Amino acid sequence: SAVISQKPSRDICQRGTSLTIQCQVDSQVTMMFWYRQQPGQSLTLIATANQGSEATYESGFVIDKFPISRPNLTFSTLTVSNMSPEDSSIYLCSVEDFGGAYNEQFFGPGTRLTVL
Amino acid sequence: GQQLNQSPQSMFIQEGEDVSMNCTSSSIFNTWLWYKQDPGEGPVLLIALYKAGELTSNGRLTAQFGITRKDSFLNISASIPSDVGIYFCAGQFSGNTPLVFGKGTRLSVIA
Repeated sequence: SAVISQKPSRDICQRGTSLTIQCQVDSQVTMMFWYRQQPGQSLTLIATANQGSEATYESGFVIDKFPISRPNLTFSTLTVSNMSPEDSSIYLCSVEDFGGAYNEQFFGPGTRLTVL
Repeated sequence: GQQLNQSPQSMFIQEGEDVSMNCTSSSIFNTWLWYKQDPGEGPVLLIALYKAGELTSNGRLTAQFGITRKDSFLNISASIPSDVGIYFCAGQFSGNTPLVFGKGTRLSVIA
């Protein structure tokens, strides 16, 4: 299965600033996703990162707030723009990769963001 | 949007006890998955189910894909302290599509 790393692992940011989170996979994968996990909550899909084209955003998430890049099949970035305390969450990168019999979705370790 | 109802929300059990949790959905999924999340970590896949009625084991874990394709359960036998964490169910309609997650079951094991 794919090994996923994220940078930074955590950050504390000031209101109004932006943070870019990187996701690196050790193999080429077709599908990459970005999720948000608010404190004590479940995971909510932000968008599907498409290689070579604009990301596909879920309802309630917009490109201006969460711009995403996917320059190749092993790397993606998520930017959290003009942050407010409500953006304090864990942001998780996920990929779909072959798990031995079927494609399965695997998660990175997450980026814990605190906005003051 | 689609939602999964996962229960119970939390459980406190004695070490050695068996645990059962389940998820139900108002819509059909063709894949059910169970993840465990430790504090400060991303979810780790425990079991994946691909066929209605399928019963799959992974060590002390057993999960079933409901015959209606609208539910799944996860059992943990003989719990140990390292079973502590949050367990999430997730449904997927088809490959290459995002997952829909349940709200999680927080498991605490008392030694």
